[in-house]
Amino acid sequence: GAVVSQHPSWVICKSGTSVKIECRSLDFQATTMFWYRQFPKQSLMLMATSNEGSKATYEQGVEKDKFLINHASLTLSTLTVTSAHPEDSSFYICSAPLAGEETQYFGPGTRLLVL
Amino acid sequence: AQSVSQHNHHVILSEAASLELGCNYSYGGTVNLFWYVQYPGQHLQLLLKYFSGDPLVKGIKGFEAEFIKSKFSFNLRKPSVQWSDTAEYFCAVTPVSGTYKYIFGTGTRLKVLA
Repeated sequence: GAVVSQHPSWVICKSGTSVKIECRSLDFQATTMFWYRQFPKQSLMLMATSNEGSKATYEQGVEKDKFLINHASLTLSTLTVTSAHPEDSSFYICSAPLAGEETQYFGPGTRLLVL
Repeated sequence: AQSVSQHNHHVILSEAASLELGCNYSYGGTVNLFWYVQYPGQHLQLLLKYFSGDPLVKGIKGFEAEFIKSKFSFNLRKPSVQWSDTAEYFCAVTPVSGTYKYIFGTGTRLKVLA
């Protein structure tokens, strides 16, 4: 089956620093990937759609300068949380659809804690 | 606005009990429907999906779901739960437009007592 990985699985950083999270499709190519954010005891909220070779599409209310997305290849998308603050602490999950299946495959998530 | 509601936030059952988790969506057009499961410490995994055809869909691990279009519902069922079914369950909807953008419900945390 399709496998999506994320790195790192967890990260702790100081307020004001930037953190980069990688999302990789291991055995398939993905021209589109999605980034979600999950707060404790809440659902997954779509942040943005990452498009290979073009700009990401951000959902309403998501600051594109705060959450930089780069989709440099067909198997890698990165999310950079710039100048992180404690309120950015959350669980970030990426997903990628497998062409022809209309189904998304999810990464294991990255837990970010900003001190 | 598009939305997905899961009415049961926490469910506790004993082993062998039957399970039904509710999912209702709000969307004016045609949708694809999914149930995902997230076991403790693991990533979201697809349980089952409905695109078209028979509204009763069977998934992995003995789960099934029924799409009732008139009620905008896609409830998940399992006749007899096991301790290993302890997990969080998410219903998701995506419009049939090729965007793959999911709208998730708030999730239901299921605890099965041995």
